Amino acid sequence: NAGVTQTPKFQVLKTGQSMTLQCAQDMNHEYMSWYRQDPGMGLRLIHYSVGAGITDQGEVPNGYNVSRSTTEDFPLRLLSAAPSQTSVYFCASSYSKGRTEAFFGQGTRLTVV
Amino acid sequence: GDSVTQMEGPVTLSEEAFLTINCTYTATGYPSLFWYVQYPGEGLQLLLKATKADDKGSNKGFEATYRKETTSFHLEKGSVQVSDSAVYFCALRRTGGGNKLTFGTGTQLKVEL
Repeated sequence: NAGVTQTPKFQVLKTGQSMTLQCAQDMNHEYMSWYRQDPGMGLRLIHYSVGAGITDQGEVPNGYNVSRSTTEDFPLRLLSAAPSQTSVYFCASSYSKGRTEAFFGQGTRLTVV
Repeated sequence: GDSVTQMEGPVTLSEEAFLTINCTYTATGYPSLFWYVQYPGEGLQLLLKATKADDKGSNKGFEATYRKETTSFHLEKGSVQVSDSAVYFCALRRTGGGNKLTFGTGTQLKVEL
């Protein structure tokens, strides 16, 4: 059982470059989300989705786009990377109903130079 | 808005010492409360949870009790091991707030022989 899979694990970008962080889950979870983790700030919600075709903004959405064309996949796009987006990114998924836990991927460490 | 406050780290303990990591929260209604653990180089894993007042979550020797009167969910372990060295995050999920998690800033624990 793979759970939540994120790729890549590490990435270095130059300012202004674009890239997509991939996230896939095989648990048929309706809810998926992206967080960024920064020192001293915990995890902050970037975007989330309650099902295929439905996305919404979290606490820190600027500079990021998402889409959800299938239940399994929830990619995060950086259109024009900035040094302020240097962070560790985590994807998470869970069932929408009931008080169920969230499952996290192993993270993507992104450095923008 | 919702918030979670954790004690600042890092916390350094000797093996077999008693551990307490304080967590208090602010939220409307009756949130569910969680402790997640992040081992070096890995994603977050659910350690324990409590979904209503006076519930006690427990796992791997760790315990936390949902105290609504003090809005707290302190993590405790009677005898820590070197393998418990990790970052611990307290989090809440508000009732009616979908599956959005609000995290504390994390507390790094280092256990030495």
